[in-house]
Amino acid sequence: RKEVEQDPGPFNVPEGATVAFNCTYSNSASQSFFWYRQDCRKEPKLLMSVYSSGNEDGRFTAQLNRASQYISLLIRDSKLSDSATYLCVLYPGSARQLTFGSGTQLTVLP
Amino acid sequence: DVKVTQSSRYLVKRTGEKVFLECVQDMDHENMFWYRQDPGLGLRLIYFSYDVKMKEKGDIPEGYSVSREKKERFSLILESASTNQTSMYLCASSSPGLGGYGYTFGSGTRLTVV
Repeated sequence: RKEVEQDPGPFNVPEGATVAFNCTYSNSASQSFFWYRQDCRKEPKLLMSVYSSGNEDGRFTAQLNRASQYISLLIRDSKLSDSATYLCVLYPGSARQLTFGSGTQLTVLP
Repeated sequence: DVKVTQSSRYLVKRTGEKVFLECVQDMDHENMFWYRQDPGLGLRLIYFSYDVKMKEKGDIPEGYSVSREKKERFSLILESASTNQTSMYLCASSSPGLGGYGYTFGSGTRLTVV
């Protein structure tokens, strides 16, 4: 079983739609959780951190459910510029390297 | 602006060649990493280093080696390039004090082995 599993998509949604991605992880000792965004042929960049209490950054909301070992990302009022691949990322804590999911591809259509 | 710089954006090499991918960071970070990224497989860790002259194997080290002679520079070496090493290679650096935060990636090297 992969450490981090994501639905690869693609998700094709119209502008203005709300879209949600989920990610499950197997290492219950994971300490920190993140969503990264990767544009086509570019490097991954940190989008936001994920906390059990949930956190919001404008149109983006991230949530962590430790009991069920999944994290989610909700994008409201999708924009064309949101088209990208979204990577679910864990920081196990004991090691210093991040563990990446394979990504979920989002295309927002005009 | 902090930076991780990879020496080449695109590279084409022949099977059997020895290939060097260079990565330099200007943030005085202790940790440096090499990943490869393939469709459907995500980012997979090849090697990492926590200090000068120190290296540790990641998940897929076979066919690769690394060198870290200076803190700011981490080189990935393909001893004898093969077609299955055609991929996007990403270098990253981080500071251990930041935990999972503060990872910075280079812009990547797209390597094609023919």
